[in-house]
Amino acid sequence: AQSVTQLDSQVPVFEEAPVELRCNYSSSVSVYLFWYVQYPNQGLQLLLKYLSGSTLVKGINGFEAEFNKSQTSFHLRKPSVHISDTAEYFCAVSEAGGTSYGKLTFGQGTILTVHP
Amino acid sequence: NAGVTQTPKFQVLKTGQSMTLQCAQDMNHNSMYWYRQDPGMGLRLIYYSASEGTTDKGEVPNGYNVSRLNKREFSLRLESAAPSQTSVYFCASSAAGVSTDTQYFGPGTRLTVL
Repeated sequence: AQSVTQLDSQVPVFEEAPVELRCNYSSSVSVYLFWYVQYPNQGLQLLLKYLSGSTLVKGINGFEAEFNKSQTSFHLRKPSVHISDTAEYFCAVSEAGGTSYGKLTFGQGTILTVHP
Repeated sequence: NAGVTQTPKFQVLKTGQSMTLQCAQDMNHNSMYWYRQDPGMGLRLIYYSASEGTTDKGEVPNGYNVSRLNKREFSLRLESAAPSQTSVYFCASSAAGVSTDTQYFGPGTRLTVL
């Protein structure tokens, strides 16, 4: 079984400041890692995912995340945020291979609020 | 191309009432999922359907049933609603149901059980 911990439930930042949203995971098997974003009153959409290869993954809207296997982390970063980045962000994992059928295990979510 | 659609958007039930949440996707995806979202708990998988004709339990299946009506549609039924089922319900789909897939989510159904 896997578990995902998002270390901050809320992150307030000012516009144009950098931001990091932290995610740690635990699993006895290899996993794939995802970040999803949920804008107010909407469903979730994929920001980026790590499957293999380079540990630095670039996603939509200027976000990037770095996979660190030794620290079992997958932190999300953006060098300069905009008001429109205000949303809830979810880190998720899926079990690699086997018969997981794409099931995702989500973290608790981090609410990013960007202030003018 | 509407993606994943869910009906209704909002629903209020009394304890003990039943209802069915509808979900449809037009992307010809094989796999579909039902999640519930509760504050501070992220999304938790209720049931999933790896392919047409199959369904299986997720993390929190108690009190729910599902039907994969055809490749497009996957419904979630609450037979006797309880206040603990007050939540936002999301349906999602993925192309192949493999662990590298991206899941595509509907807009959600906000359910209140009084």
